[in-house]
Amino acid sequence: QLVLTQSPSASASLGASVNLTCTLSSGHSNYAIAWHQLQPEKGPRYLMKLNSDGSHTKGDGIPDRFSGSSSGAERYLAISSLQSEDEADYYCQTWGSGIRVFGGGTKLTVL
Amino acid sequence: QVQLQQWGAGLLKPSETLSLTCAVYGGSFSASYWSWIRQPPGKGLEWIGDINHSGSTSYSPSLKSRVTISVDTSKNQFSLKLRSVTAADTAVYYCARTEGAYGSGWVYDSWGQGTLVTVSS
Repeated sequence: QLVLTQSPSASASLGASVNLTCTLSSGHSNYAIAWHQLQPEKGPRYLMKLNSDGSHTKGDGIPDRFSGSSSGAERYLAISSLQSEDEADYYCQTWGSGIRVFGGGTKLTVL
Repeated sequence: QVQLQQWGAGLLKPSETLSLTCAVYGGSFSASYWSWIRQPPGKGLEWIGDINHSGSTSYSPSLKSRVTISVDTSKNQFSLKLRSVTAADTAVYYCARTEGAYGSGWVYDSWGQGTLVTVSS
């Protein structure tokens, strides 16, 4: 079964960096994923598509502070120079034959 | 740059039919798949289904028996109907766009603003 697992919460200080993790279920370690940001009172924002080899394609206007990497079944979203507007929920998403799957989301708090 | 604008009734009674429409501005309507995704209060995102311009659909297995997604190519719009709603269907509903089978995978790269639908007697 295709499942994405995310930690429910993360926190980091203003100006610092943070890594959010999304883990693919067993047998699916070669799958690409996408990262999405949900800010309070705003619609979702597509951040990037992240492949199993770590290559990634970002959405329009996504700053260089956002980057992605991969290791095995883990997919990472790195955010550097944290700003207050980065406080949001972050979801990873992938797909299989006839299904689309979202992770449970990580709530990022900027201290 | 694709823009999505959605609308529909925000308050329903149990057993009624949820109906939402999403208008697409910009981009290629025929080279995309059009999707509905929802987020119940305090919970994560849940995929509902996708459709392309020719009407080919995929639905979430958990909602398939109650969902219909349709497309109107003359207006560049697509719609969601969810029958027999209950309180468990209360959620923010989003429309979204993906290249799907026309491109590099089912990545939702444009999103609507969301519509809160509340089901309450």
